[in-house]
Amino acid sequence: QVQLVQSGAEVKKPGASVKVSCKASGYTFSGYYIHWVRQARGQGLKWMGWINPNSGGTIYSETFQGRVTMTRDTSITTAYMELRRLRSDDTAVYYCVREWAAGYGLDVWGQGTTVTVSS
Amino acid sequence: DIVMTQSPVSLPVTPGEPASISCRSSQSLLHSNGDNYLDWYLQKPGRSPQLLIYLASNRASGVPDRFSGSGSGTDFTLKISRVEAEDVGVYYCMQTLQTPYSFGQGTKLEIK
Repeated sequence: QVQLVQSGAEVKKPGASVKVSCKASGYTFSGYYIHWVRQARGQGLKWMGWINPNSGGTIYSETFQGRVTMTRDTSITTAYMELRRLRSDDTAVYYCVREWAAGYGLDVWGQGTTVTVSS
Repeated sequence: DIVMTQSPVSLPVTPGEPASISCRSSQSLLHSNGDNYLDWYLQKPGRSPQLLIYLASNRASGVPDRFSGSGSGTDFTLKISRVEAEDVGVYYCMQTLQTPYSFGQGTKLEIK
């Protein structure tokens, strides 16, 4: 079945980096954008950016510009999101989500990866 | 950036009764192709969000027909014709007309 399976929880110190993976299966990886969305505990959803797995092209929210990099490895149908210079307010659940095309909805979500930033 | 505003913040509903959630955008979400780039999502407790509605009024695959979306431009509505216990959670609207995509702050539906 179609699914996105993310890597496990991470605990990082302030100033460190984290790289979350998102393994896609059950569909043509290159045919869908992969978005990243985060959610702080008890808070709403925040869009971070997307990657086009076909071209590798990316668009990032300015909120994260300069600290985030989204990449993919098409040989293993996996997308990655790296966030650098972590702060305590980066503590959140990070989701990868696929989208066929703009407007058609983020229709398959990963299970989420909890990133905790604490000294 | 487009700001999305939902109301109400909290929505207590009796099972079997209808429910309605409003979403307003700071800019029109109407594309030149005639579609409104507005989605609705439900996040059930402890779960990842799930897509309910895309392009303002199209139900996603597997979504019960008691869910419907309407609206155009800057004003949108999600309606549940008869609320069931499994509908509890937080509902979010999201615009995908332009980046950065943006979500409303959420509406928590609870059963009375």
